[in-house]
Amino acid sequence: GDSVTQMEGPVTLSEEAFLTINCTYTATGYPSLFWYVQYPGEGLQLLLKATKADDKGSNKGFEATYRKETTSFHLEKGSVQVSDSAVYFCALSGKSNTGNQFYFGTGTSLTVIP
Amino acid sequence: NAGVTQTPKFQVLKTGQSMTLQCAQDMNHNSMYWYRQDPGMGLRLIYYSASEGTTDKGEVPNGYNVSRLNKREFSLRLESAAPSQTSVYFCASSVSGISYEQYFGPGTRLTVT
Repeated sequence: GDSVTQMEGPVTLSEEAFLTINCTYTATGYPSLFWYVQYPGEGLQLLLKATKADDKGSNKGFEATYRKETTSFHLEKGSVQVSDSAVYFCALSGKSNTGNQFYFGTGTSLTVIP
Repeated sequence: NAGVTQTPKFQVLKTGQSMTLQCAQDMNHNSMYWYRQDPGMGLRLIYYSASEGTTDKGEVPNGYNVSRLNKREFSLRLESAAPSQTSVYFCASSVSGISYEQYFGPGTRLTVT
């Protein structure tokens, strides 16, 4: 079935460093792809999404491009801040034997130090 | 506009006890979901309701039941809790269908001893 594989963490960066969190997927058909962020003690919030190949999602300085040829949706940010410290989840909406499903990666914990 | 609310925030149960987790949304969304989050496992879909009056199994439905009480409310019931059900449970909703952005509640941390 469909699945998402996400770079394992934890990741620790200094403020203003460049961030990449890798995400690859396996899917039949043409799934929509998402990045969610979870701040400590809170539920998940949508960070960005892309619904078709070559789409670029962006929000709050984060970007990810839907690459069908490499089945990837890597999250990037040019200059991280302390406030970006959180857990990031890659996700896809796809198909399973029982119908539509939503699959999350295992999450990547990011800590940004001043 | 509270978004998605969940009660309780924390709960401790003994093995074999039952309980119901409550979820409500005030965004007039059609679809609602229950997930569990375990360390190293990400979020896994337990059940979802595409629209009022319908429910479907997700990836890990065993040991759970759900009720879509009305358009706003979607409850998750553990009939006979087991230690393997110790987890953080999240409710979510979306406008319509699982392909759309989901809005999450703050979660319920459940411990089964």
